[in-house]
Amino acid sequence: EPEVTQTPSHQVTQMGQEVILRCVPISNHLYFYWYRQILGQKVEFLVSFYNNEISEKSEIFDDQFSVERPDGSNFTLKIRSTKLEDSAMYFCASSEYGTGELFFGEGSRLTVL
Amino acid sequence: AQTVTQSQPEMSVQEAETVTLSCTYDTSESDYYLFWYKQPPSRQMILVIRQEAYKQQNATENRFSVNFQKAAKSFSLKISDSQLGDAAMYFCAYRSNGGAQKLVFGQGTRLTINP
Repeated sequence: EPEVTQTPSHQVTQMGQEVILRCVPISNHLYFYWYRQILGQKVEFLVSFYNNEISEKSEIFDDQFSVERPDGSNFTLKIRSTKLEDSAMYFCASSEYGTGELFFGEGSRLTVL
Repeated sequence: AQTVTQSQPEMSVQEAETVTLSCTYDTSESDYYLFWYKQPPSRQMILVIRQEAYKQQNATENRFSVNFQKAAKSFSLKISDSQLGDAAMYFCAYRSNGGAQKLVFGQGTRLTINP
């Protein structure tokens, strides 16, 4: 069964470093999303992406964050200069159409020291 | 803004018994969707069941059913004949109709199945 895959599963980085989290959505899906979950808190929406542009973003998704679909298969989340409070589990998701079921990846745990 | 609240951080149930997970939400919208997602340990979240707010009939998927009370803004999940594989974190989520798939999640309920 097709699934969303994410790499790395866990990344440790120093504060101020750039981080790129990668996702491979399900191949025929057109909508892509990033969510995050800080330990002990709710899963929060970060951004949605369709037709090579951001369709919606939350207030969390500030100028330090960016998303890209560089090669037609990967969907990346970049954090330009990580802060301690960026430590979280980041989930990628995709859907075939705008109101379709979301399929989530297993998540990438980011630890910022 | 919409909010979703799961007041039970942890629940446990004996195998083969029935358990109900609670969820309440707050919204001023009349048309929306509600979901229950399951996240087994170290695995991805998967959709268990979804309910359209305009439908009065409660959604059912095999052993999983919901009790949707629109006026009370309540959306509980009932798991019948609990199995060991049901052990997971369960998240209740809300989505407005239309627009991007911006889900608003509850805090989650960790369900343990006792053999």
